[in-house]
Amino acid sequence: QKEVEQDPGPLSVPEGAIVSLNCTYSNSAFQYFMWYRQYSRKGPELLMYTYSSGNKEDGRFTAQVDKSSKYISLFIRDSQPSDSATYLCAVSNDMRFGAGTRLTVKP
Amino acid sequence: EAGVAQSPRYKIIEKRQSVAFWCNPISGHATLYWYQQILGQGPKLLIQFQNNGVVDDSQLPKDRFSAERLKGVDSTLKIQPAKLEDSAVYLCASSLAGRGVNTGELFFGEGSRLTVL
Repeated sequence: QKEVEQDPGPLSVPEGAIVSLNCTYSNSAFQYFMWYRQYSRKGPELLMYTYSSGNKEDGRFTAQVDKSSKYISLFIRDSQPSDSATYLCAVSNDMRFGAGTRLTVKP
Repeated sequence: EAGVAQSPRYKIIEKRQSVAFWCNPISGHATLYWYQQILGQGPKLLIQFQNNGVVDDSQLPKDRFSAERLKGVDSTLKIQPAKLEDSAVYLCASSLAGRGVNTGELFFGEGSRLTVL
């Protein structure tokens, strides 16, 4: 079993839609959870960072962690074409990444 | 502040040849990572250095891959001999923190794209 599982998509939505991206993980010892965004031909960049369970909001982005079910989510409200990218979940302390979900937001 | 620098950006070689990638992390970052990202997949950790010591190389194919971080700053990743399945983007990342604690934000370079023919 992989440490981090993520549906690779691809996912295509119209502009303005709410996007839900999800990952599951296997090791209950993980405490730090991150979402990275990767544009084509670029390195990943940190988007959201969450410690333990709960929600964290930053503008149009909300990250959720449910440690009881080992499930992490990223929600994007009012999605924009500039949000088109691959979204990678990552778990610390050993920085393993999920497969990444490719998102396309159509104008 | 300068970001993580990697070179070369692109490399095309034939199978069984060798190749080396170079990474210069952000100044002051103790931890350096090399990831392999195959098209359509997430980054796979190959090796993690803290200063100039290896703390995780469990996924590094040691029969053909090697890496070093001299003086705890720059790092080189080498592949010899290359196979077709090594075609990928090799990403270098650095962070302030060390192993066993919150690694903090990873800062990535733009990657070195390898094509093995």
